[in-house]
Amino acid sequence: DGGITQSPKYLFRKEGQNVTLSCEQNLNHDAMYWYRQDPGQGLRLIYYSQIVNDFQKGDIAEGYSVSREKKESFPLTVTSAQKNPTAFYLCASSILLEGLGKNIQYFGAGTRLSVL
Amino acid sequence: GEDVEQSLFLSVREGDSSVINCTYTDSSSTYLYWYKQEPGAGLQLLTYIFSNMDMKQDQRLTVLLNKKDKHLSLRIADTQTGDSAIYFCAERFRDSWGKLQFGAGTQVVVTP
Repeated sequence: DGGITQSPKYLFRKEGQNVTLSCEQNLNHDAMYWYRQDPGQGLRLIYYSQIVNDFQKGDIAEGYSVSREKKESFPLTVTSAQKNPTAFYLCASSILLEGLGKNIQYFGAGTRLSVL
Repeated sequence: GEDVEQSLFLSVREGDSSVINCTYTDSSSTYLYWYKQEPGAGLQLLTYIFSNMDMKQDQRLTVLLNKKDKHLSLRIADTQTGDSAIYFCAERFRDSWGKLQFGAGTQVVVTP
C-alpha cells in the first residue's frame, strides 16, 4: 500500500531532551512537509523540503531541525530549545509542483508528543 | 488578514444537510481545498476547487466558491454519523512552491 508512515504514534520527551519523529513515504513524492497542530488551531508549517538535500524553514521553525538525505524520508527533531513541544505533529508529501498547479498534500496519521 | 477563518463548531442532525463556511485571505489563491480529520488521525483530502470555478459537486459534497467575497463553503448532503470530524479549509497561495494556509478547523458533530 502506498502512503505516508509516521512513527511513533505517541512520544514522550523529558526536559532538555531532543527527540526525533520519523516520516517515511513510498508515494515517490518529491516534496515533504512537517506541520504542528494545536487544539483549536489550524496546521502551522514547521519545515518543508522540495528535493533531497534541500529544505526550507516554515512559519514556526525555531526549536526544530530536519534532514532530507533520502527522497523517502524526512525526519523531524524537536530540540530542547523548543520550550512548548506538546502538540500533534503531521507529516505530508506531494508531487513537486510546476507552475501554479494544485498542491495536493497527503498526510500521515500523526505523532502525538507530550512532555514528561 | 493573514488567517483563514472558519467557525469552530457545527451540530447537525443525521439526515440533514451540513454547511461549513470558510473565509480565505488571498484573492489570487489558485486552489482551495477541504480536508477531513477524524479523531487521532491525519488529514484526508475530501475535495478541491480551482479558483476559476464557482461550484463543484462530488457525490454528497458540494463546494461553492465566491471569489468576490473570498468565501468558500462545503455542503454535505444527507449527513451521516461517519461525517463527524474536523473539517479544514485551505488555500494555495500563488507563489513559487504552493504553500497551503489552513484554517483552524470546524468540528462537526452529527446527532441521531
